[in-house]
Amino acid sequence: GAVVSQHPSRVICKSGTSVKIECRSLDFQATTMFWYRQFPKKSLMLMATSNEGSKATYEQGVEKDKFLINHASLTLSTLTVTSAHPEDSSFYICSARDHAGVPTDTQYFGPGTRLTVL
Amino acid sequence: RKEVEQDPGPFNVPEGATVAFNCTYSNSASQSFFWYRQDCRKEPKLLMSVYSSGNEDGRFTAQLNRASQYISLLIRDSKLSDSATYLCVVNRNNDMRFGAGTRLTVKP
Repeated sequence: GAVVSQHPSRVICKSGTSVKIECRSLDFQATTMFWYRQFPKKSLMLMATSNEGSKATYEQGVEKDKFLINHASLTLSTLTVTSAHPEDSSFYICSARDHAGVPTDTQYFGPGTRLTVL
Repeated sequence: RKEVEQDPGPFNVPEGATVAFNCTYSNSASQSFFWYRQDCRKEPKLLMSVYSSGNEDGRFTAQLNRASQYISLLIRDSKLSDSATYLCVVNRNNDMRFGAGTRLTVKP
C-alpha cells in the first residue's frame, strides 16, 4: 500500500515554543491530507483537512492561528503547533488520500508524532 | 451523543476464542464503513471495509446493518497477535469519523 511518513516521530519541547511536524506521501501524490489528534485512550479527532494550494479547513473548536497548516506541494503538508502548552501534548497523526485508481475514501496514515510539552 | 460509539472494553480472551465487537453510528447518511486496528502508540491501519452483504477476510468477518446503523466485527480463533485496539470508522463525504476503539487482549 501507499506510504506516508511523518517527522519527527517524537518531540519534547518547552512551553511557549513552536513545533513543526511534517507529513509526506512517499509514493503517491496527495491533493488532500488530514491532521488528527489523539489523546490517551481516546479516539482520533480530526483537526483539519489540508488541500494542496489552498487554505486548510479546520474542524470546529480547533484554533487555526495556533495550529498552522501548510500544504505547499502534492507530497508535503506541515502542521505547526505555535506557542505550545502542556495541554497540547498529544499524538498527532496525518493521513493522505491517494486519488489515483483507488476508492476516494482510502486514506493512508502516517506513523504519528508524539508531542510532549513540558 | 457521539457520532460513532463503541464498547471500550477491554475484552480479555484466551487464544482460540471467538470475540465480537459492536459499533453504532448516528448519521444515517454515512456512506462507507471500516474497521481499523491500532497498536499501542502506533498509527491506525486498515483492517477491512464493511459492506451490507457482509464480508469475510480469513478469521475476520464484518457486518453492516444500515437500518439499525450498526456495524460488527467478529474474530474467530483469536491469536496473541490480534491484541490491539479496534476502531470503527464511518465515512460521509470523505469525512472519516472514528470511534474511541475497543481494546482486545488475547492471552495464552
